[in-house]
Amino acid sequence: KAGVTQTPRYLIKTRGQQVTLSCSPISGHRSVSWYQQTPGQGLQFLFEYFSETQRNKGNFPGRFSGRQFSNSRSEMNVSTLELGDSALYLCASSLEDWALGYTFGSGTRLTVV
Amino acid sequence: EDQVTQSPEALRLQEGESSSLNCSYTVSGLRGLFWYRQDPGKGPEFLFTLYSAGEEKEKERLKATLTKKESFLHITAPKPEDSATYLCAGTGGAQKLVFGQGTRLTINP
Repeated sequence: KAGVTQTPRYLIKTRGQQVTLSCSPISGHRSVSWYQQTPGQGLQFLFEYFSETQRNKGNFPGRFSGRQFSNSRSEMNVSTLELGDSALYLCASSLEDWALGYTFGSGTRLTVV
Repeated sequence: EDQVTQSPEALRLQEGESSSLNCSYTVSGLRGLFWYRQDPGKGPEFLFTLYSAGEEKEKERLKATLTKKESFLHITAPKPEDSATYLCAGTGGAQKLVFGQGTRLTINP
């Protein structure tokens, strides 16, 4: 079966711009989470959506936002990009029973110049 | 604040040389402890979920164990294809994972 699909795979943006990343979860998975991965901080939780509702949010500034559509696809948006936003952004999906494991996509590599 | 710490940061082994990776956690109301494997340029790949102290799970050359404060990932007779970064993460059930920094494992042939 198809895995978690993230687009685009790579992005280069300029400081001050905004960016939108997309995530299509595994069919049947209604929970979608977003993580930021950097060499210094590792994997950090951004937010989680279930049935179009944000259920939890990490400690990131308001420039980071997300949403989920009725088909469970999700997008995250970062406005007013800063150099420190350069990272691998990972999306993970799961069934309502999270204990079966979260399946991650391959990520979007964002570089801010 | 919930925290997960992994050690060592990096480990280099010869093929066939068994070892263990450590994951110490302080996660309030721990409901699950996850192990993932991550290869360069890819997302983490799910390995195990452990729920309670004393639990063990195995998959091929890997065995994960859990105590009230730590989890161990034991690698028996590793092969070069086991080279990867191994990530540990805990959850208190609030739909978020708290990850450790990972252990970068290299298996030399």
